[in-house]
Parts: sequence; C-alpha cells; structure tokens
Amino acid sequence: NAGVTQTPKFQVLKTGQSMTLQCAQDMNHNSMYWYRQDPGMGLRLIYYSASEGTTDKGEVPNGYNVSRLNKREFSLRLESAAPSQTSVYFCASSDRGRTDTQYFGPGTRLTVL
Amino acid sequence: GIQVEQSPPDLILQEGANSTLRCNFSDSVNNLQWFHQNPWGQLINLFYIPSGTKQNGRLSATTVATERYSLLYISSSQTTDSGVYFCVANNAGNMLTFGGGTRLMVKP
Repeated sequence: NAGVTQTPKFQVLKTGQSMTLQCAQDMNHNSMYWYRQDPGMGLRLIYYSASEGTTDKGEVPNGYNVSRLNKREFSLRLESAAPSQTSVYFCASSDRGRTDTQYFGPGTRLTVL
Repeated sequence: GIQVEQSPPDLILQEGANSTLRCNFSDSVNNLQWFHQNPWGQLINLFYIPSGTKQNGRLSATTVATERYSLLYISSSQTTDSGVYFCVANNAGNMLTFGGGTRLMVKP
C-alpha cells in the first residue's frame, strides 16, 4: 500500500496562474481532506469530502475549489494563485470521517511569486 | 469552535531524557490525535486517543476527557524524535483543530 500520495511535491507559480494539486489514497477510505500549513503553524482545513460525490468547505476555503473524482482521488484547484496561498498543502484520508484516524500524504510545497 | 493549546511551545532535550507534552482543549471531544511532523515535513499519526491511555514503544499518551487534557510521554528520547508534535481535536459538528505544536529538539 502506498497510503496517501500527492503530486507534485514542489511547485512555483506566478500570481494569477492556475494549477491543480492531485491526491490519491489506496486504503479504500471514505473521507478525504485538504489542509494547508503555513510556516510555524498547525494545519488548517481547506475542504473535505465525507464520501464520494460530496464536498464541504473547511476553515479556509476561499480561493480554492475541489473535486472528488472518485473514491480514491481528491483534487485541489487554485484558479488564480495569490502570494497568500504560498504554503505546504497536505492531503489526508480517513475511514469513518473526522472522528477517525487521519492518514496524511507527504505534502506539496507551493510558492506563489 | 474548539480551542487547542499545547505546551511547551519549544523543548530541547539531551538524548536519553524523558519528557511530557501537554494538550488542553476547550470543549468535549470525540477525536483526539497526536501527530509527529519530522524535520522533512512528513506527518505521522502517533495515537488516536479520545480517552484513556495507549502505549507504543517509548511513546505513550493519556487523555482525560472529563478534565479536557491529553499528555504525550516520550521516554529515553532519541535524536530521531526531533520535530514538531501536534495535538489535534474534533468535537461533534466541528472541524479538526490543530494545536500550535511543540517543537522538540533532541541533542546527541
């Protein structure tokens, strides 16, 4: 099992560019999450998907969109990147929702110039 | 929403020493986890412990839900224990909330 995988590992964008961060899990988990971690801080929830076909906003959803493509994959899209979105992005998955253990991917380090 | 506070914010240990990290939360929880983020940024789940005590090797954790705190014990610390330890809590209808973390450095 690879667990939770994310691509790319690193990305540099110019202000206004768009990109999609990909996340996949092979643990047959129902729930998936996207977080961002700013320097020296804990993680903040951007969006989550409790099950295939559903998505909900988290704590900091502005400037992002998500797609739960199927049970395995959950993507995060930045339509018009801003320097404030420079961060490390983590994807996670869990079996029974937010009350269950979450397993994290390795992260994507994004810099917006 | 729920507030999660961790202490101490920073900790330096000599290899072999023991330590206790504390997490206080402001409301009842149905999910309490401890994570270790290593110096390379990887997040590793240590314990899922909404109540009670668990042990895994040199690490153990205790959550006293009625008093709204959790403790993470590290015994015989090793340099590989360095990194940031996050306490993460969730209560019904709320999102997972991360504490500010405890930054641990273990010196050889």
